[in-house]
Amino acid sequence: AQKVTQAQTEISVVEKEDVTLDCVYETRDTTYYLFWYKQPPSGELVFLIRRNSFDEQNEISGRYSWNFQKSTSSFNFTITASQVVDSAVYFCALSARGGFQKLVFGTGTRLLVSP
Amino acid sequence: GAVVSQHPSWVICKSGTSVKIECRSLDFQATTMFWYRQFPKQSLMLMATSNEGSKATYEQGVEKDKFLINHASLTLSTLTVTSAHPEDSSFYICSARLAGVFNSYNEQFFGPGTRLTVL
Repeated sequence: AQKVTQAQTEISVVEKEDVTLDCVYETRDTTYYLFWYKQPPSGELVFLIRRNSFDEQNEISGRYSWNFQKSTSSFNFTITASQVVDSAVYFCALSARGGFQKLVFGTGTRLLVSP
Repeated sequence: GAVVSQHPSWVICKSGTSVKIECRSLDFQATTMFWYRQFPKQSLMLMATSNEGSKATYEQGVEKDKFLINHASLTLSTLTVTSAHPEDSSFYICSARLAGVFNSYNEQFFGPGTRLTVL
């Protein structure tokens, strides 16, 4: 079975602080795909990043960075120098052949960035 | 590219009425579309997988007679909530998966969602 765990329900930080959102996944497949999405108050999901299981390179995009570690089944997301506009719910998701390629979402982490 | 639209963006209806939500892939063909439901402060839960030209596959616990899904073309899927009740009030989100071998990530493209309120 596929499972995604986001243990942090809510995180509050002050602007300019760095924050890391944790994501731990479970799957028996050797080929799988990981995603992060942002959901602002408007509700629309915003795609942030995708990774396949064969690509363990970390990625940086502006203030965002992702750390993918197969050894610990984790795909953590760090926001550097957080801003108020980063306030949203962030979802980690997994897609694998064993799950009929459906997207399985974590429960989400609500990030509150205060000025 | 890869834009998905939903209509309407929000709807308020009386209990007992039926509501239809449309999901369209605007600039690509989608053989598979997905329907999710999201209650306040909760995650997205997959309701059903819709394949063009065939019957939808519903997740366990989702009533197929209550949530009718039609995927009549490669760019349009509809979800009809029949005889809606207040407990059906939720945020409904569709997604579309790009057809063909180019979608090596199994990536889904999400619509903006439809907020349904049943009075």
